[in-house]
Order: sequence, then C-alpha cells, then structure tokens
Amino acid sequence: KNEVEQSPQNLTAQEGEFITINCSYSVGISALHWLQQHPGGGIVSLFMLSSGKKKHGRLIATINIQEKHSSLHITASHPRDSAVYICAAGASGTYKYIFGTGTRLKVLA
Amino acid sequence: EAGVAQSPRYKIIEKRQSVAFWCNPISGHATLYWYQQILGQGPKLLIQFQNNGVVDDSQLPKDRFSAERLKGVDSTLKIQPAKLEDSAVYLCASSLTGTANYGYTFGSGTRLTVV
Repeated sequence: KNEVEQSPQNLTAQEGEFITINCSYSVGISALHWLQQHPGGGIVSLFMLSSGKKKHGRLIATINIQEKHSSLHITASHPRDSAVYICAAGASGTYKYIFGTGTRLKVLA
Repeated sequence: EAGVAQSPRYKIIEKRQSVAFWCNPISGHATLYWYQQILGQGPKLLIQFQNNGVVDDSQLPKDRFSAERLKGVDSTLKIQPAKLEDSAVYLCASSLTGTANYGYTFGSGTRLTVV
C-alpha cells in the first residue's frame, strides 16, 4: 500500500461541475502540497497546507490532520482545468516528500 | 521572481547513448531536487542537494546516473548509458531550505525518450 493514496485515478467532468479529488496518507506530515501537472510535464504548486483550509480563485484545499486526509475542490470547472493533480506529503522530521500517483482530470466543454 | 529553468525540454536518444540535463534553480534556493516521473506514476526522487552537498541519493541508479551541483547553484543530471526504461520526464525543483514546511518550485521538466 502506498503511503499517499489519491482517488479517483481518473475523472471526467462536464464544464461547470463541482469536482473533488481526495488524498489520504499514512505518514506523519508537516505539510501537504497539491500540485497541478499539464501535458508536457511542467508542475505548478497550487497549495501548501498543514491545517484547515485554503482558497485560491475556484480552487479550495482542505486538510484534516487527525484523519490524515486532504481534499482538493474545483468549483465551476472549466476545460482549462484539465490536468493531472498530484498530492505530495512532506514527511515529518525529514526532507522528503512522498507523492501520490495523481488524478487525471478531464473537463469537457 | 524567475522560475526554475530546465533544458532541454525534449530529448530523443538511442539506447546506450549518453544524455545530460541542466537545471538552474531559483536564486537563493539552497535545496535542489531531481525527480524522475515515468508515465502514469508520481515523481520519484533521484537526488537531493543542499547547497553543493548531496542529502539523499538513495534512489539514484549510480551505475548509470550521476549528478552534480556546481558551486551550489546550477545542476546537471547525466545518464550514461541510457536504457529504454529511462524514458520519463526528469523534473528539477528547488526550495529555500529543504524542510518539508516550505514549498518548492518545479521546473518544466525534460521529456526523455530512449529508442
């Protein structure tokens, strides 16, 4: 079992739908990142959070430390949101990040 | 603030050839990472530098991969000789301190195809 699990692996949505991507981790963390990767490989950091909730535009990230779970929500999804979303857990007491395998999102017009 | 620069963006080589990738991190970032991302998988850490010293290279296939960070700034990752299974995106990232509390920035990656 991977230390960082994401679900779903693949997601297809219609434009305008509310989207949720989930991340569960089994290690103690000091921070958790949500990353966005577009075709071509480049990765953009969306959020880094260690508690509570953060919002940026149509994106919302939440984390529940007790349950070791984080969610990424996209409101009013748009085709340009189509990308792979990766959750990365920063393991406590180390320099290391542990990556999930990503959720491939496709938003249809 | 300029981002993490990587080159080349794409590279196609034949197996048993050698290849080198270059990364220029964000100015002032002490920590530099090289990741390998095989299609359909999350990034795998190959090597982490703190300034010009190696912090973690436990997953670097040292028989064929090598990396250096000159003067604690730019870094190069080399594969010699390449194998088919080395086909992947090679990502460079940098962070201010390297502790997990701080964010880090990725470059655009180099997509390597070994034929």
